Amino acid sequence: DQQVKQNSPSLSVQEGRISILNCDYTNSMFDYFLWYKKYPAEGPTFLISISSIKDKNEDGRFTVFLNKSAKHLSLHIVPSQPGDSAVYFCAATGWAGNQFYFGTGTSLTVIP
Amino acid sequence: EAQVTQNPRYLITVTGKKLTVTCSQNMNHEYMSWYRQDPGLGLRQIYYSMNVEVTDKGDVPEGYKVSRKEKRNFPLILESPSPNQTSLYFCASSDPGTSGGRSYNEQFFGPGTRLTVL
Repeated sequence: DQQVKQNSPSLSVQEGRISILNCDYTNSMFDYFLWYKKYPAEGPTFLISISSIKDKNEDGRFTVFLNKSAKHLSLHIVPSQPGDSAVYFCAATGWAGNQFYFGTGTSLTVIP
Repeated sequence: EAQVTQNPRYLITVTGKKLTVTCSQNMNHEYMSWYRQDPGLGLRQIYYSMNVEVTDKGDVPEGYKVSRKEKRNFPLILESPSPNQTSLYFCASSDPGTSGGRSYNEQFFGPGTRLTVL
C-alpha cells in the first residue's frame, strides 16, 4: 500500500505564478520529508527537505510546508520558471534515514 | 566531481539470463540504495545498505540480490530475470546527518539503468 501519495499526476502553471505541489502520507513514524526534481533521462536531484519538528522550510524560490496533524506537505515554487518543468517526487523516511518511501510524482509544466 | 555512476545505462536481455548492474559512488557515503521506477508507482526501494557488509530489504526485494563488499560499490544482481523486472533502475547514496552544508538524508542518484527483460 502506498504510504506516500501524490494525487495530482500533472500540473500546468503560467510562468511567474505560484506552483503548489501536494503530498500526503499515512505513516506517523515518518521523521523527515524530501522533495526531488527529475528531468527526463536523468536521476532525481534533491530539491528541499523538512524535518518533522518544523512546519516550514524555505530555500530561495522553494518553500516546503508540513502539516503533521493532516499528514500533508506541500511544495511552493514562487515565481515559477520554465526551467522548473520536471517531475517532482515527494519522499519520506524514518529517524534511521535508510528506508525511503516515494510518491508517484507530479509532472509540472511551466508555460512561458 | 561528486557523482553516482551506473552501468550499463541500457540493457535488453532474455528471461533467466543472470545480469548485474553496477553502481559506484565517489563521495565516501555510508548509505546506498537501489530503486526501481515504474509508471504509476513512483520509485520503490529494492534494497539498501548502511555500510560495508550491511544490507537489508526495501519494499520490493523479490528477485533481486545485492552485495556491499566495498564502501563505494553496490551492485544489483538479477539471478534469473523475468519480464516483470523490466523497469528503470536507480542507485542512490547518502550520508545521514549534515556534512559540508548538505541536508540530512539527502540522497544522490545515479543517471538510471533502463532494463528490458524479454
